[in-house]
Amino acid sequence: GESVGLHLPTLSVQEGDNSIINCAYSNSASDYFIWYKQESGKGPQFIIDIRSNMDKRQGQRVTVLLNKTVKHLSLQIAATQPGDSAVYFCAEDDYKLSFGAGTTVTVRA
Amino acid sequence: NAGVTQTPKFRVLKTGQSMTLLCAQDMNHEYMYWYRQDPGMGLRLIHYSVGEGTTAKGEVPDGYNVSRLKKQNFLLGLESAAPSQTSVYFCATRRPGNTGELFFGEGSRLTVL
Repeated sequence: GESVGLHLPTLSVQEGDNSIINCAYSNSASDYFIWYKQESGKGPQFIIDIRSNMDKRQGQRVTVLLNKTVKHLSLQIAATQPGDSAVYFCAEDDYKLSFGAGTTVTVRA
Repeated sequence: NAGVTQTPKFRVLKTGQSMTLLCAQDMNHEYMYWYRQDPGMGLRLIHYSVGEGTTAKGEVPDGYNVSRLKKQNFLLGLESAAPSQTSVYFCATRRPGNTGELFFGEGSRLTVL
């Protein structure tokens, strides 16, 4: 079936630097994508979403980019902070929501 | 508001035992979901419900049953637990419509010996 997947399982970033987390999807008909953050011992929390009629959306310190041509989306975190250490999931909204395996982000002090 | 509450949070079972996980929500959401999370596997959908009295299979439904007798509750049952069902289980809810935001519970860690 269709699936989403993250490019790298882990990412180590220096505090204050920008982080980029990548995700590929396979269903070209997907209309809606969401990013979630999961801190240790907690359930995932919504970060930001984007529809297929957009190529960029900004939130507070986060930006999601969507490239439909290559079926790729990315999450950019500006000025990464220790509190950003978590597992990040992209999800493809096919009504039931399909999640990728996640990227573990570790912030170095 | 409690949001999404899962009980129990931890449970150890022996192979062949049965148990039920309860998900309760106070947000009046129509849609409810049960996921399992295993290391390196992300979140996989077990079953979901789009409203009271309805349920549907997700990606990995085998070995599980669900019921949605009341809008605010979604129960996940294991009739005969197996070690392969050792996992962390998450319940989630969402509003119907175009928003994809899921609201997750804190998770239930189940170990089957």
